[in-house]
Order: sequence, then C-alpha cells, then structure tokens
Amino acid sequence: EAGVTQFPSHSVIEKGQTVTLRCDPISGHDNLYWYRRVMGKEIKFLLHFVKESKQDESGMPNNRFLAERTGGTYSTLKVQPAELEDSGVYFCASSLRQSTDTQYFGPGTRLTVL
Amino acid sequence: AQKVTQAQTEISVVEKEDVTLDCVYETRDTTYYLFWYKQPPSGELVFLIRRNSFDEQNEISGRYSWNFQKSTSSFNFTITASQVVDSAVYFCALSPNAGNMLTFGGGTRLMVKP
Repeated sequence: EAGVTQFPSHSVIEKGQTVTLRCDPISGHDNLYWYRRVMGKEIKFLLHFVKESKQDESGMPNNRFLAERTGGTYSTLKVQPAELEDSGVYFCASSLRQSTDTQYFGPGTRLTVL
Repeated sequence: AQKVTQAQTEISVVEKEDVTLDCVYETRDTTYYLFWYKQPPSGELVFLIRRNSFDEQNEISGRYSWNFQKSTSSFNFTITASQVVDSAVYFCALSPNAGNMLTFGGGTRLMVKP
C-alpha cells in the first residue's frame, strides 16, 4: 500500500511568487493534515481536513495560505505571495477515520523562498 | 495549552551503546495520546509508537522500549544496543482526545557512530 506522497520534494522560488504544494494521502484515509517546520523551530500544525471539509484551520499563519481538498482525495496548499519566512519543510499526514487514529506522514516538501 | 519538551537537542553515541531520549509533556486534558516519530536522513516522519493516557504499561519492540510515567509527565524512549541505522531525528508528540492536532517537541538528533 502506498504511503502519503508529496510533490514537489523541493521548491525554490523568489519572494512574491506563488507556489502550490500537493499531498496525496493514503487511499481511504478521510483525515488529512498539513504541518510545517520552519528553520530552527518545532513542527507546527497548520490545518486538518475531514474529507473535503476543513475541520480545523487554527494553525494557518495568514491569508497568504490557501488549502483545498476538492473531492476529499488529494490536497493542495498554495502560498501566494510567498515571503522569506515561509521557507521550511511542509509535511502532510493522513489518518483513517477516527479523530485519534494514528497520523502517517509524507516525506515533506522543502520550500525555499529567496 | 499543550507543550512537549525534548531537552536533548543532540546525542552522540558509539554503536552498541544504549541511549535514552527524553520527552516531557504538559497538558490539561485528562485523556491524551503520546507518539514517537523517527525522521531518518531521507526526511519522512516514520511512526514508531502511540500510547494513550490510560495505558501506562511500558512497551518493548525489539531494541526499542518506551517508558510512560504519568506522575512525571514523561514518555521516554530507549534504544538498546544502538546501530548506525538508528541515526535520525526523533520527535515526541502529543494530541488531545477530543481533537487530533499533534503538538511536537523540538526533536532530538541521534548520531550513532561505528
């Protein structure tokens, strides 16, 4: 069974540009989460989808970040316009159905904003 | 508010030594879940273990063991007879029962030298 996949693995963009990250959860997982780790800090929660609905987006830093999960399958996280402080590793995770099912993580996307 | 502290930012051992990674947590929830994840050089977060707050039994899985002590709010992880392949960053995490956002510690980088 395929795990959580993320694309791209690495993205380098200039300040002010737009970047879209993609996450494909494990097949059949209703819950999808985004986290990020900026340089030197802890991994921080961004938001949580249950199927196509946003369950909790309390961790989204500002309105330059837009997450979608149309159809309840894969998800995208768009940063527009990107700022220097957005650099870091963006992780996606998925879990089955119950709110306390274990979250399985993808390899992350390393975003560098110059 | 929840908090996870991994006081050891970096540990270096020689192969075959035993090593313990510390994790201390804070939460006001009466029910919660604790996790350990491993991040090898390839970058993905690999799930290792999950415990709920009602189950204080220690767990052993091969060379890995976990010591959960509610009285001291600790969930320590011991690797017995460490191997070079154990070199990675290890994260301890906490999630509440009602929600499922993970709160991570800062991670401990373990280097096992041959």
